[in-house]
Amino acid sequence: TQLLEQSPQFLSIQEGENLTVYCNSSSVFSSLQWYRQEPGEGPVLLVTVVTGGEVKKLKRLTFQFGDARKDSSLHITAAQTGDTGLYLCAGAFGGGTSYGKLTFGQGTILTVHP
Amino acid sequence: NAGVTQTPKFQVLKTGQSMTLQCAQDMNHEYMSWYRQDPGMGLRLIHYSVGAGITDQGEVPNGYNVSRSTTEDFPLRLLSAAPSQTSVYFCASSYSSRVTYGELFFGEGSRLTVL
Repeated sequence: TQLLEQSPQFLSIQEGENLTVYCNSSSVFSSLQWYRQEPGEGPVLLVTVVTGGEVKKLKRLTFQFGDARKDSSLHITAAQTGDTGLYLCAGAFGGGTSYGKLTFGQGTILTVHP
Repeated sequence: NAGVTQTPKFQVLKTGQSMTLQCAQDMNHEYMSWYRQDPGMGLRLIHYSVGAGITDQGEVPNGYNVSRSTTEDFPLRLLSAAPSQTSVYFCASSYSSRVTYGELFFGEGSRLTVL
């Protein structure tokens, strides 16, 4: 079983602050996805990263994929109360031979206070 | 377009009872899967299917059974419920059987309590 370590588990910040969430593995990802989940709902995809060193931006959210494809980060600039939620990273390992098996991190519960 | 629909949304069972969680998708996705979500443990894969008639085990398959007779439906059966199966269950589908790149579309979840 591949392991995905996500940190921190909890993050409580004031509106306007910046934050970073990390996702690490000892194995190489073939691709990595970030999801956001709100209470009572299923996760919703934010981004997929595939290439080592890749950086993707989604408004105030910046996603990075490590050069060695073993780690990823999510950075939020000037957090807003609407960013509150559970953030999950999910990795696929081994390429096409392991299709169907997506491994999720433990999640980061982000609370942004007004 | 309904997406991924799960029923029931809430269920309480007694230890030893059996039940089926239903999942249906109307997006003609090849790939479907079941996850359970527990506090501090993220989502763990129970079973998945890459097409009608094809299923495989995920990380935590014990105590659960699945079948995929049609593209649209992927029910999850609890054979003899145990308190350890108290969890929130999510069904997900993807347009690609190779989830390396495919976005997972999730249902709203089914919250199960086993007493």
